[in-house]
Amino acid sequence: DVKVTQSSRYLVKRTGEKVFLECVQDMDHENMFWYRQDPGLGLRLIYFSYDVKMKEKGDIPEGYSVSREKKERFSLILESASTNQTSMYLCASHPAGRGSHHTGELFFGEGSRLTVL
Amino acid sequence: GDSVTQMEGPVTLSEEAFLTINCTYTATGYPSLFWYVQYPGEGLQLLLKATKADDKGSNKGFEATYRKETTSFHLEKGSVQVSDSAVYFCARVNTGNQFYFGTGTSLTVIP
Repeated sequence: DVKVTQSSRYLVKRTGEKVFLECVQDMDHENMFWYRQDPGLGLRLIYFSYDVKMKEKGDIPEGYSVSREKKERFSLILESASTNQTSMYLCASHPAGRGSHHTGELFFGEGSRLTVL
Repeated sequence: GDSVTQMEGPVTLSEEAFLTINCTYTATGYPSLFWYVQYPGEGLQLLLKATKADDKGSNKGFEATYRKETTSFHLEKGSVQVSDSAVYFCARVNTGNQFYFGTGTSLTVIP
């Protein structure tokens, strides 16, 4: 069974803290994505990565950075957490690499619910 | 630009009622289309998909047909169950492998 694992289901942090959200996939997928999910706004893409050490900005990258040192792991970093970053964060992976088009699905983790006080 | 628009919720239905959740898209070319479902406390999982015009995706009694002429991919189920209560997302993927999601439609089915 394919698996995308997010390290923390629930986190509570204080304003200004540095936050790491970890995501690991065991499917050898090239593409990995970080979304945030907010009521009434659906899923919004923060960052994505086509390959190791590669990253590209999504629609709302401000206040976030990412790291992809190994193919299976894609980390989302909040350098200085703020209350407007309270949200559900979803990691996903997809098998196609950059330049190739794949009609397959995105595989999601269970989500990390972050509360910033 | 590319986008997906789905009907606003929340939707509340009685068990065995007929369900339709509308979804339309804008895109260049012919994107693959998806419906994802999110059960309470879980991540999103694929419900069904269609990769070309006139394809019908189906799963768990749900169906959706890729209509190029109306740029739509409406989700339907003939008889909903309490266990279908979830949030449903319409999505499309472009040739750059970027996925675009609708805002989600919350469905509650009451016994």
